[in-house]
Amino acid sequence: IAGITQAPTSQILAAGRRMTLRCTQDMRHNAMYWYRQDLGLGLRLIHYSNTAGTTGKGEVPDGYSVSRANTDDFPLTLASAVPSQTSVYFCASSDHAPASYNEQFFGPGTRLTVL
Amino acid sequence: GEDVEQSLFLSVREGDSSVINCTYTDSSSTYLYWYKQEPGAGLQLLTYIFSNMDMKQDQRLTVLLNKKDKHLSLRIADTQTGDSAIYFCAERWGTYKYIFGTGTRLKVLA
Repeated sequence: IAGITQAPTSQILAAGRRMTLRCTQDMRHNAMYWYRQDLGLGLRLIHYSNTAGTTGKGEVPDGYSVSRANTDDFPLTLASAVPSQTSVYFCASSDHAPASYNEQFFGPGTRLTVL
Repeated sequence: GEDVEQSLFLSVREGDSSVINCTYTDSSSTYLYWYKQEPGAGLQLLTYIFSNMDMKQDQRLTVLLNKKDKHLSLRIADTQTGDSAIYFCAERWGTYKYIFGTGTRLKVLA
């Protein structure tokens, strides 16, 4: 069982380039999330999806877009990367139910550097 | 806006207890969580507490919740070198949004 996978593991990108970070889960979880982790700021939610076909904005959505065409995949796209998007990106998923504690399962992360 | 605050570093000796503190802002949070991040890895859920509870104990872990002060703490008894990691508290805000703290890096000295 793979759980949740992310690709690439790391990437160096020139400013202005387009980049898609991939995330796939095999747990059939309904909810998926993208976070960025920056030193001193912790994890901040970029976008989330509560089910296939729907997405929502988190704390820091500007410069990022997501899609959720099916249950398993939740790609994050940077349309035109800027240096401030240098960060470690984590994808997560959960089997979300309103009355439950809803553990989030995290991928191993993608380290992105924008020069 | 919503904010979850933690101290950045904590250093303890092996065998001692560790206490990691967190303050949060949303008094309507239903669940609060503690996640652990080991070097080079994603986060893993350690424990959680429902907002109508004051305390939860799970083996070496004790979670205390003071809703009046919006304060959450994680106590690790008999801290081991394998407990060295970054610990994040988090609150559930709304239905699908989670606010994470800045993380506390715990270093356990042998």
